[in-house]
Amino acid sequence: KQEVTQIPAALSVPEGENLVLNCSFTDSAIYNLQWFRQDPGKGLTSLLLIQSSQREQTSGRLNASLDKSSGRSTLYIAASQPGDSATYLCAVKLADSWGKLQFGAGTQVVVTP
Amino acid sequence: DAGVIQSPRHEVTEMGQEVTLRCKPISGHNSLFWYRQTMMRGLELLIYFNNNVPIDDSGMPEDRFSAKMPNASFSTLKIQPSEPRDSAVYFCASSFQGDEAFFGQGTRLTVV
Repeated sequence: KQEVTQIPAALSVPEGENLVLNCSFTDSAIYNLQWFRQDPGKGLTSLLLIQSSQREQTSGRLNASLDKSSGRSTLYIAASQPGDSATYLCAVKLADSWGKLQFGAGTQVVVTP
Repeated sequence: DAGVIQSPRHEVTEMGQEVTLRCKPISGHNSLFWYRQTMMRGLELLIYFNNNVPIDDSGMPEDRFSAKMPNASFSTLKIQPSEPRDSAVYFCASSFQGDEAFFGQGTRLTVV
């Protein structure tokens, strides 16, 4: 059974610092990995999707890496802003799961001005 | 596209009543997922459909829960009878061929 772990559970950084969020998974036979952002009381917003054949994906200040063999993904957010405060979730899709996503518990991020 | 649309956004009902949650996936997407989110258990997959066919409903907690997808643009999740422990945020998501998943804004259900 695929287990997805996100450490730390919560993180507080001053504005301008780079954020590093970690995601680990136990089964390396994944189809892809997706990072989401969730604001309080809101739905999940897709940030980045990394296919299993890719090593990283970038969008603006966001960069996500994937190391399938070690079962890890890292989301980097450069030059953090107070608007980056949210919960960040990673989810993996197994290769044979018809699109089923297995989520981590999330990392709650607070960026202080 | 307007994204995944869920209704209602909030639902408050009394224990024992029937509750129906609705979802309109993104046009062209052929996979649809129902998730439930609680503080204690995080995000749990309840059921998912591929090309309107239920593929895996092993996450449906009890027979009180049922889901349908009569066509490619509409799905329902029904709870009958509802119980206080069903209180949660229910999300619908869709994707094309199992790729990037997009979520709706969710339905916050409170059963009193």
